[in-house]
Amino acid sequence: DIQMTQSPSLLSASVGDRVTLSCNASQNIYKYLNWYQQKLGEAPKLLIYYTYTLQTGIPSRFSGSGSGTDFTLTISSLQPEDVATYYCYQYNSGPTFGAGTKLELK
Amino acid sequence: QVQLKESGPGLVQPSQTLSLTCTVSGLSLTSNSVSWIRQPPGKGLEWMGVIWSNGGTDYNSAIKFRLSISRDTSRSQVFLRMNSLQTEDTAMYFCARYYRDGYGPNWYFDFWGPGTMVTVSS
Repeated sequence: DIQMTQSPSLLSASVGDRVTLSCNASQNIYKYLNWYQQKLGEAPKLLIYYTYTLQTGIPSRFSGSGSGTDFTLTISSLQPEDVATYYCYQYNSGPTFGAGTKLELK
Repeated sequence: QVQLKESGPGLVQPSQTLSLTCTVSGLSLTSNSVSWIRQPPGKGLEWMGVIWSNGGTDYNSAIKFRLSISRDTSRSQVFLRMNSLQTEDTAMYFCARYYRDGYGPNWYFDFWGPGTMVTVSS
């Protein structure tokens, strides 16, 4: 099974900061990676699919990049409403989620 | 609009079988795929399995011998059954549409139910 490792597990940042979250796959997943945002008590929400495509309605401050085994989610200017846990998800084979990065305000 | 809603017993005794229902509206199960995903309290997400639009299924290898996903297209319902429940199966259980954007490599969960909490305890 493909293992997905997210880092850091906890990230503290200030409003307006540029934030980068990482996701590493244990083997090549090409670009078959999505990012989800989950706020406390809610179902996850799709942010980005196929590594870099922004889901409809998602603010342009979110962006994704990478290929193969290394991927990043970037928030260009952190907003208070971005406080959440972020999960990467690979669908190359035997779909798996990463363990998540919890993003909080400093 | 597309909506999904999970329902279930809330509390299940250890070693018993869990039965959950996902009722969908705004989409047809004969042209849409639905997955089950669970989340233990305070932990991350685990993909459990999918029922494809053609009725075929795929399961997480870690639980495939305990899990069954089926559907009733006329009632717009997807069912999850998992046997031999243990305390570690305590989790929020979500169903979500697994959507393919066009004919390319874009698959994603775009609509989710609010989830139903299942506690395994005697």
